[in-house]
Amino acid sequence: EDQVTQSPEALRLQEGESSSLNCSYTVSGLRGLFWYRQDPGKGPEFLFTLYSAGEEKEKERLKATLTKKESFLHITAPKPEDSATYLCAVQAWTGGSEKLVFGKGTKLTVNP
Amino acid sequence: ETGVTQSPTHLIKTRGQQVTLRCSSQSGHNTVSWYQQALGQGPQFIFQYYREEENGRGNFPPRFSGLQFPNYSSELNVNALELDDSALYLCASSPVGGDTIYFGEGSWLTVV
Repeated sequence: EDQVTQSPEALRLQEGESSSLNCSYTVSGLRGLFWYRQDPGKGPEFLFTLYSAGEEKEKERLKATLTKKESFLHITAPKPEDSATYLCAVQAWTGGSEKLVFGKGTKLTVNP
Repeated sequence: ETGVTQSPTHLIKTRGQQVTLRCSSQSGHNTVSWYQQALGQGPQFIFQYYREEENGRGNFPPRFSGLQFPNYSSELNVNALELDDSALYLCASSPVGGDTIYFGEGSWLTVV
C-alpha cells in the first residue's frame, strides 16, 4: 500500500535557524513527489515536483531533495512568514488514474 | 493565483441532507480530482475525472459522486450526509502529462 510519513509533526524555529523536514515514502512506482505549503484554512500551495533520486529544486529559502526512499525540504534562514504546514505527497498510479497520497504534514512555526 | 476556483467557501448542512460543491479549473486543465481533508490530516483522494468520465476512485462510498462538464468544471455531490463528512473539500486540476497539480482554496463543510 502506498504510504507517506512526515516528520517531525511540528517544528518550532527561531528566525534564521535553518532546519530540514523529512518525508519518507513507500509507493509502487513513483511518478512524482510533490511538496505543498498550506496556510490555516487555505488550500495547498504548490512548491515543487521531484521525479528521480538525486534531483534537487530550489525556491527562495526552500530546497527540496529526493532519494529512493525519502525527500527532504531544507529551510535556510527561515522568516516568520515561512510559518505554515508543509505537506508531502507521492503521485501513484491507481485504477486508471494518478492520485496524490499525502502525509499528515509538518507544522512549522518560525518565531521572530 | 492557481486558477482553480471553488464554491461555496463555507457551508453548514444537517445530517442526512445532500450537498453539491463546485470547482472551476484552469483553462487547458482537463483532469480534475477531489480530495477530503479532515482537521489535522493530509488530503485523501476521493476520485478523478478526465474528459467527463470518472477514471479512478479512492476509498469512499458511492454516496460520494461527481460530474465533469465539457468546460472542465466539476461538481462533487455527497448524499445522506454523516457527521464524519465534516471536512475541507479540495479540488485539484492538472494538464495532461503536466507536472504541476494546483489546488483551490477548498469548501469547508460542517455537518451538524
